[in-house]
Amino acid sequence: DIQLTQSPSSVSASVGDRVTITCRASQDVSGWLAWYQQKPGKAPKLLIYATSTLEGGAPSRFSGSGSGTDFIFTISGLQAEDFATYYCQQVNSFPWTFGQGTKVEVK
Amino acid sequence: EVQLVESGGDLVQPGGSLRLSCAGSGFTFSSYWMSWVRQAPGKGLEWVATMRQDGGEKNYADSVKGRFTISRDNAKNSLYLQMNSLRAEDTAVYYCARTQRCRTTTCLYRGLAGEGFDYWGEGTLVSVSS
Repeated sequence: DIQLTQSPSSVSASVGDRVTITCRASQDVSGWLAWYQQKPGKAPKLLIYATSTLEGGAPSRFSGSGSGTDFIFTISGLQAEDFATYYCQQVNSFPWTFGQGTKVEVK
Repeated sequence: EVQLVESGGDLVQPGGSLRLSCAGSGFTFSSYWMSWVRQAPGKGLEWVATMRQDGGEKNYADSVKGRFTISRDNAKNSLYLQMNSLRAEDTAVYYCARTQRCRTTTCLYRGLAGEGFDYWGEGTLVSVSS
């Protein structure tokens, strides 16, 4: 099974900050990595798929990059509505797996 | 508008069974792989199971294999999860999720089920406790 390790587990930031989250896979996922945002009590929302493709309706301040086993998710110019937990997920092979999540908190 | 509505969550004793349902609308249900994802209280997301459009392929997480069965009825635009031999660690909110179809030829060539979950239901709570 492919393990996904996100870092950091939490990050404190202010509105306007640039936030970076990394996701490391235990083996090559061939770029088939997605990123989700989840707010308390709500279902997750797809932001990025295939490493760097922005899902329709997702703000352009969200971006993704990477290849092989190492991936980066960036929020450029954090907005108040971005305080949430973010997850990466690999869909390269079953069993699909999620990272443990990164909570973006108010500094 | 795409909608997924789960139902069937309940409090059940360890060793018991439960069947979850998910009703889809606003899209051609039979054209999508469909999945279940769960989230234990205060924990992260865990993929549970995924099923191909025609029901010909099913995949399960090791943690539920042999106990849970995913199924679908395309005529009723519905997805199901039969959960048997429930354990305390199965306590979670269970989400129904639509698997986004391949949007690239590479994805199609690889034969991938999809590129992520583009629509989710609001979830249904399953509590396993005596």
